[in-house]
This record gives sequence, structure tokens and C-alpha cells, in this order.
Amino acid sequence: SYELTQPPSVSVSPGQTARITCSADELPKQYAYWYQQKPGQAPILVIYKDTERPSGIPERFSGSSSGTTVTLTISGVQAEDEADYYCQSADSSGTYVVFGGGTKLTVL
Amino acid sequence: QVQLVESGGGLVKPGGSLRLSCAASGFTFSDYYMSWIRQAPGKGLEWVSYIGEGGSPIYFADSVKGRSTVSRDNAKNSLFLHMSSLRADDTAVYYCARASFGTYFQFDSWGQGTLVTVSS
Repeated sequence: SYELTQPPSVSVSPGQTARITCSADELPKQYAYWYQQKPGQAPILVIYKDTERPSGIPERFSGSSSGTTVTLTISGVQAEDEADYYCQSADSSGTYVVFGGGTKLTVL
Repeated sequence: QVQLVESGGGLVKPGGSLRLSCAASGFTFSDYYMSWIRQAPGKGLEWVSYIGEGGSPIYFADSVKGRSTVSRDNAKNSLFLHMSSLRADDTAVYYCARASFGTYFQFDSWGQGTLVTVSS
């Protein structure tokens, strides 16, 4: 089965840059999406189609793609960014959706 | 504004069945793909199923395939998930989510979820 691999945790101090990676062999064939989820809340889309930012999402959130890895970058991390982040994509046929295991971002 | 409200969760015995509903408002429901996504307690997100604007195509994750059906009533702006032969590992918060217009699985709106607990 198709899997997206994320690091379980990332820690940064306020004002620093956080980078969360997501890897899979089929990522070059489908777009990737990123979601932020805070405790007790539904996820929110923060990056779509690898690099695009929805309206209302702060500019400090950005996405990039290189080969089989996509990266969510949060520049100038703020305390409010502490959350779980999930990448999501689909298999090469676009039939089955898959989520990464999630990365807990801790703001020290 | 876009609103998705799930209902139908609760305590179900192993082997039992359930029907979840999702009431949509604030957008033209019949124009959008819809999905069910679940999250076991303390775990990550797991896609369950999606359904096209008019009721097809329909796809399921392997974990629920063969014991689940998904449907929609565009006249009533509602999405449904029926699951049977429930197991303990089906225990999760079940979210309905809207895919962005013209996409299958760019989830731009989510409900708050409904908790399903499978236990004897």
C-alpha cells in the first residue's frame, strides 16, 4: 500500500524556521497537500498543490517539492503554530487518498 | 459560510452497523466531491471514502472496503456513510470533508466530526 513518511516530531524556538518533510516514491506523480490540526479541532488546509497557500493562511506557511519529497516550511514560527501537521496525496491513478502519519510541531 | 455537520456517532457493539450523516450548507453541494475521513483516538488521519458530485465515482480505503457504502442526497444537501461488521479498530472520530471545486481530494472544508466507539 502507498505510504507517506513524515517525521513524528519537530521542535523549534519561536521565530525560527520549521521544516516538515513528507516522502514517498509516487509524490512526483500527484500533488501534495498539508493540513494543520490543533487539539480537539478539525484539520485546516494550509498548503495545496505542493506550493499554493489558501486565502487566510499566513504568508509564513510555504510548501516546496523536490523529487520524492515535499516540504512544509513555517518561517518565523509563532506559539500558535504548535499543532499536528499532516501531508496528504493520492496514488498515481488518483483513486486512493493517503495521509502521512503526522508530525507534531512543538514550539519551545 | 461553508458548514458541515456530522451526526450518527455513538457506541456500537462489535459486529454491529452504523449510519453516519453529514449535513452541508453554505455552498452548492451538488457541485463538489465529498469524502469521509476518520481519526482513531490519539492517531493520525485516515481517508475512508469519496463520492463524486452526482454519486459516482465511489472509492473506499482497503480497511473498510466490502463492508461500507457511501451515498449522497443532493436534493437534501446530505452525505451518508453506512458501515457494517464493525470492529474495535473502527473506533474513531469520523469527519466529512469537502474537496475544493474541480478536485477530488483537496479538502478545503471539514466538519467537527462525530465519534464512533466500537465496544462491547
